[in-house]
Order: sequence, then structure tokens, then C-alpha cells
Amino acid sequence: DVKVTQSSRYLVKRTGEKVFLECVQDMDHENMFWYRQDPGLGLRLIYFSYDVKMKEKGDIPEGYSVSREKKERFSLILESASTNQTSMYLCASSPATTTFYTFGSGTRLTVV
Amino acid sequence: GNSVTQMEGPVTLSEEAFLTINCTYTATGYPSLFWYVQYPGEGLQLLLKATKADDKGSNKGFEATYRKETTSFHLEKGSVQVSDSAVYFCALSMFSGGYNKLIFGAGTRLAVHP
Repeated sequence: DVKVTQSSRYLVKRTGEKVFLECVQDMDHENMFWYRQDPGLGLRLIYFSYDVKMKEKGDIPEGYSVSREKKERFSLILESASTNQTSMYLCASSPATTTFYTFGSGTRLTVV
Repeated sequence: GNSVTQMEGPVTLSEEAFLTINCTYTATGYPSLFWYVQYPGEGLQLLLKATKADDKGSNKGFEATYRKETTSFHLEKGSVQVSDSAVYFCALSMFSGGYNKLIFGAGTRLAVHP
């Protein structure tokens, strides 16, 4: 069964910490995405990547960065976590020319 | 810009009731339209899709028809079950800035009671 795996289901971090959220896909997909999900706001795109070492800003990139050193892995980095980054983070992947996304189960991050 | 608006929840229904969740969109061009479902504690799963006007997507008893004239893609099911309790997201895909992207609505929570 094809899969997008997010390394943690729940994380609690302190304000100011550097936080890494990891996502791995086993479908050889070119595109990978990071969204955050907040009640009443739906899913908002943070960053995406269409190839190894390539990245593009989404709608809300401020306070985040990403890394894609290998095709199967896409990391989201919170340089200095803040309480307003408490949210559910969802990773997704898709083949190059489609929008048939496969989502991971999400990481619920709490910043205290 | 491109956007998706769906009805606010929560929607609370009894088992075997008829379900409608409204979704309208704003887009330049001709997007593809999707419904995703998120069960408790899980990521999003594609429920159904439609790629052009008048297409009907269907899956697991759910249906939605791509209506270009009303820019709508309402989700319907004739008889809901407790296991349908979830959050439902309407989405559109557009080719923008050189890439295909999905744009999501805010989500509608459905609670079905026995």
C-alpha cells in the first residue's frame, strides 16, 4: 500500500526551539507539499517542492523553511517556534503532472 | 483569485438522513474539483473528483456534479451512516505559477447519530 509517513503524530515544543517535521513517501512522487490545518481555515499551503533540492513558497511561508535533499523526503523546519504555530501539519505528495494527492496522517504540534 | 467556499458546520444528522454539503468556487479558467474526507485522527483521503463541467463524481454512495453555470460542486448522499462522521473538504486544482496546486475550502464537520 502506497504511503506518506509523517514521523510524529504529536509533538510538544517550547517557544524558540528549532523544530523539524519529517515526511517520507514511497511512491516515487515528484511533488511534495506541506500544509497546516486550522479550524475554520481549512488547509493552507506553506511550501512545496517539485524536485529534489527545489522549493517554492506557498501562501503562508513566514516562519518556516523546508529541505528536500532526497526525492522521498521533505522536511518542514520551524526556525524558532512560536505559539501561533500550534497547529496540525499535513504532508502530501503527488506525481509531477497531476493533483492526485496522497496525504500523511498529520502531526499535531503544540508550542508552549 | 481562486477560492473555495463551503457551508459552515457542524452538520448533525440522524442515521439514514439525506446529506447535502454545499460548495461553490471562484476560479479563472476551468479547474478540476474534488471532495476529500478526513476521518478522526487521520489525514485526508480523496472521496471523489470531477474534471470538467457536468461530470458527476461518485464513491461510497456520495455524489457531486460539476456545475459550471452555478460554479458549484455540492456533495450529496442519500442515506448517511454513523461511519460517515468526518470532516469534508471541497477543493479545486488550478495550474498557477507554473504548477498544479490544490486550493481547499475551510471544511465541514459532519456528525451522524444513531
